[in-house]
Amino acid sequence: EVQMVESGGGLVKPGGSLRLSCAASGFTFSHHGFNWVRQAPGKGLEWVSSISPSSAYIYYADSVRGRFTISRDNAKNSVHLQMNRLRVEDTAMYYCVRILEYGDFDIDHWGQGTLVSVSS
Amino acid sequence: QTVVTQEPSLTVSPGGTVTLTCASSTGAVTSGDYANWFQQKPGQAPRPLIYTTTKKHSWTPARFSGSLLGGKAALTLSGARPEDEADYYCLLYYSRAQVVFGGGTKLTVL
Repeated sequence: EVQMVESGGGLVKPGGSLRLSCAASGFTFSHHGFNWVRQAPGKGLEWVSSISPSSAYIYYADSVRGRFTISRDNAKNSVHLQMNRLRVEDTAMYYCVRILEYGDFDIDHWGQGTLVSVSS
Repeated sequence: QTVVTQEPSLTVSPGGTVTLTCASSTGAVTSGDYANWFQQKPGQAPRPLIYTTTKKHSWTPARFSGSLLGGKAALTLSGARPEDEADYYCLLYYSRAQVVFGGGTKLTVL
């Protein structure tokens, strides 16, 4: 069974940092790219970042570029999102999202999310 | 800034048919935009329904279908059920670095 479990969310002050993790199991991790997608309370979905299977391709939304860093560890079946210089507007549920095996774009699984709250 | 537009809300009668659309501010949506559709119910993570414009996942109910319609990506629900009441989001891939969600459609089955 495919499982993706996010962790690392919490309450942080503006300007602070958090590191989100996504622990995956039940599939061949190195065959898949991943996205991080967020959803502010009561709002729609926003793509944040993506990473290819070998980490060769990494991309960021303009809203987070220069502050967030995505990474993965294929030996530990995990994806991470290091979030620095957090802003109030980064408050959201953050989802780890799997891309189809050997694919570039299409999504087939979402984790349950981890909540990040940025407030003074 | 690229904007993807969906109907804010739609209502369908039980057993009825409804089409949700996904328009791009850059012009006509094509198969190369790899439209994906997701269903989200309150308190849950989104669930994938459609990928690459028309393809269904193994768990996607047969009553859902994806297409291109009038320059937009479309999700058609035929034979709506009460459990289909949810928010629906489309996603367009303009490039590896430009991935944009629509604002979502709140579908009411009434």
